Amino acid sequence: EAAVTQSPRNKVTVTGGNVTLSCRQTNSHNYMYWYRQDTGHGLRLIHYSYGAGNLQIGDVPDGYKATRTTQEDFFLLLELASPSQTSLYFCASSEKRNTGQLYFGEGSKLTVL
Amino acid sequence: GEQVEQRPPHLSVREGDSAVITCTYTDPNSYYFFWYKQEPGASLQLLMKVFSSTEINEGQGFTVLLNKKDKRLSLNLTAAHPGDSAAYFCAVSVNKLIFGIGTLLSVKP
Repeated sequence: EAAVTQSPRNKVTVTGGNVTLSCRQTNSHNYMYWYRQDTGHGLRLIHYSYGAGNLQIGDVPDGYKATRTTQEDFFLLLELASPSQTSLYFCASSEKRNTGQLYFGEGSKLTVL
Repeated sequence: GEQVEQRPPHLSVREGDSAVITCTYTDPNSYYFFWYKQEPGASLQLLMKVFSSTEINEGQGFTVLLNKKDKRLSLNLTAAHPGDSAAYFCAVSVNKLIFGIGTLLSVKP
């Protein structure tokens, strides 16, 4: 069974819309991450967390909020979505911060019209 | 900060040929290296994790070479087959994990 699950898998919204992407992991990992994947850029880190209530800023945080409510659940919030945020979003978890393997979810395709 | 350059962005080979993907990095203190494979429409799966102390790492049908002097990491798929068609990403870790832009590999029968 999948250890990192994301929802929704596909989402279409309009400019200015409000979007929440959800991620749940059953790996008992401390670290969780949100990445966006864009052609020509690879994966870029938006936010990450090392535990419930913790939030760390990644490399491309502008326009995004995140919240880690439990060890299992990590949410990405776009409160005023813009077309530049059209992307494929991946959630991932890991036991260690930079030395461990990342376990990725299936991805959430977001289109902002 | 650390920069990771991955080449080529696209690669097309015939079945049975070898395919080589290369990443160069800038920080000599980088100590963990990763290759991930992303099949079409799927998530990223770890192909191999490489420690800075090991220069040659062999997997099932592929070899990963780490040249610390040249700060180059390469993935060599020997005798590629259509099932190898996917996007491949390198990732380099020093004080943060940096991904390459990816290589889209197409293996034609």
